[in-house]
Amino acid sequence: NAGVTQTPKFRVLKTGQSMTLLCAQDMNHEYMYWYRQDPGMGLRLIHYSVGEGTTAKGEVPDGYNVSRLKKQNFLLGLESAAPSQTSVYFCASSPLAGENTGELFFGEGSRLTVL
Amino acid sequence: KQEVTQIPAALSVPEGENLVLNCSFTDSAIYNLQWFRQDPGKGLTSLLLIQSSQREQTSGRLNASLDKSSGRSTLYIAASQPGDSATYLCAVRSWANAGKSTFGDGTTLTVKP
Repeated sequence: NAGVTQTPKFRVLKTGQSMTLLCAQDMNHEYMYWYRQDPGMGLRLIHYSVGEGTTAKGEVPDGYNVSRLKKQNFLLGLESAAPSQTSVYFCASSPLAGENTGELFFGEGSRLTVL
Repeated sequence: KQEVTQIPAALSVPEGENLVLNCSFTDSAIYNLQWFRQDPGKGLTSLLLIQSSQREQTSGRLNASLDKSSGRSTLYIAASQPGDSATYLCAVRSWANAGKSTFGDGTTLTVKP
C-alpha cells in the first residue's frame, strides 16, 4: 500500500504565484486533513474534509483553498503565494471515528518556499 | 479548545537509559491519543495509538499510557539507543469538532552513544 502520497515534495514559488498541492490516499479513508508545520509553531490545521465533496476550515485557513472532488484526493491551493506561506505541508487521512481505531496516517510532506 | 503540552521540549540522555516523555491535554473528552516520531526533514511515523477506553499500549521497547481523568499520557522508552533520536509528538483526537486532532509541540530526544 502506498498510504498517503503528497506531490510535489519540493517547490519554490515567487510571491503572487499560484500552485496546488495534491494529496492522495489509497486506504478509503473518509477524513482528510492539511497541516502546516513551522519551527516553534508546531502542526497547525489548515483545512479538513469529512468526506467526498465536503471541506471545512481549520485553525489557519486564510490564503488557502481546498477541494475534495474524489474521496481519495484532497487538494490544497495557494491562489497568490506569500512569503508567510513558506512552510512544510503535511497531509493526513483517517477512517471515520468509530471505524477501526481512528488512526491518523501522514504523508511525507511537501516543502514549499515562497520568495 | 483542546490544548496539548509536551514537556520537556528537549531531552538528552546517554545510550541505554530508560526515559519518559510527557504529554498533557486540557479536555478529557478524547477519542484517542496517538504518539508519533518525526526525524529531521521527514514526515510523521505513528508509534502507538491508545483508545480512550484503554490505559496503555506497548510496542517493543515503547510503552504508552493514558490517564484521561488527569489529562496525561506518557511514552516510556526502554534501553534507549542512538537511533531513537528524533522528535516525538503526541496528538489528541476529540469526538467533537469532526474528529480533529490537536498536536503538542513535541519533545526532541537525543540519545548519545
